[in-house]
Amino acid sequence: DAGVTQSPTHLIKTRGQQVTLRCSPKSGHDTVSWYQQALGQGPQFIFQYYEEEERQRGNFPDRFSGHQYPNYSSELNVNALLLGDSALYLCASSFPTGEAFFGQGTRLTVV
Amino acid sequence: KQEVTQIPAALSVPEGENLVLNCSFTDSAIYNLQWFRQDPGKGLTSLLLIQSSQREQTSGRLNASLDKSSGRSTLYIAASQPGDSATYLCAVRPRSGGYQKVTFGTGTKLQVIP
Repeated sequence: DAGVTQSPTHLIKTRGQQVTLRCSPKSGHDTVSWYQQALGQGPQFIFQYYEEEERQRGNFPDRFSGHQYPNYSSELNVNALLLGDSALYLCASSFPTGEAFFGQGTRLTVV
Repeated sequence: KQEVTQIPAALSVPEGENLVLNCSFTDSAIYNLQWFRQDPGKGLTSLLLIQSSQREQTSGRLNASLDKSSGRSTLYIAASQPGDSATYLCAVRPRSGGYQKVTFGTGTKLQVIP
């Protein structure tokens, strides 16, 4: 059983560019949440998707958007990248109120 | 707004020692609390999940307790090993029904010295 898989593992982008990160949830899970983890900090909740809709959102600007597909996989899009967007982006899958399982993350570096 | 604090931020112990990591939270209206392990630059590995109705959970050398009334959880690691070296994070899910967002602490970085 594949766990949560994220792609790519590492990414380097230039300020102002746009980026798309991808997440495939653990088999059977229908809820995907995205987190941003800056170096030395705990993960910060970005948003959660269930039934292809954004259900909850943290304190992130509209430059951060997402999508969930019918197969429950999800994308995180960030527009107009800033240097401060450099972080480890984590995807977690679960049932809506169940235990969260995390992927290995995507390390985004903005230069 | 839920705030989660983990003390100490870093801990160094000799191999074989028993140790306790602390997690405190400000809002006791939680659905569950989860402890994770994170190796440098990697994702999170779930260690233990405690539902709000539970007082503790055990897995191998790990034991996690939860005291909602005082807003505290502890992770007890018995007979520590160098392989336990990692950052340990606790995360609190609020009891708001439906779709919740989790609040993480900033973690305790553990080093077990051989």
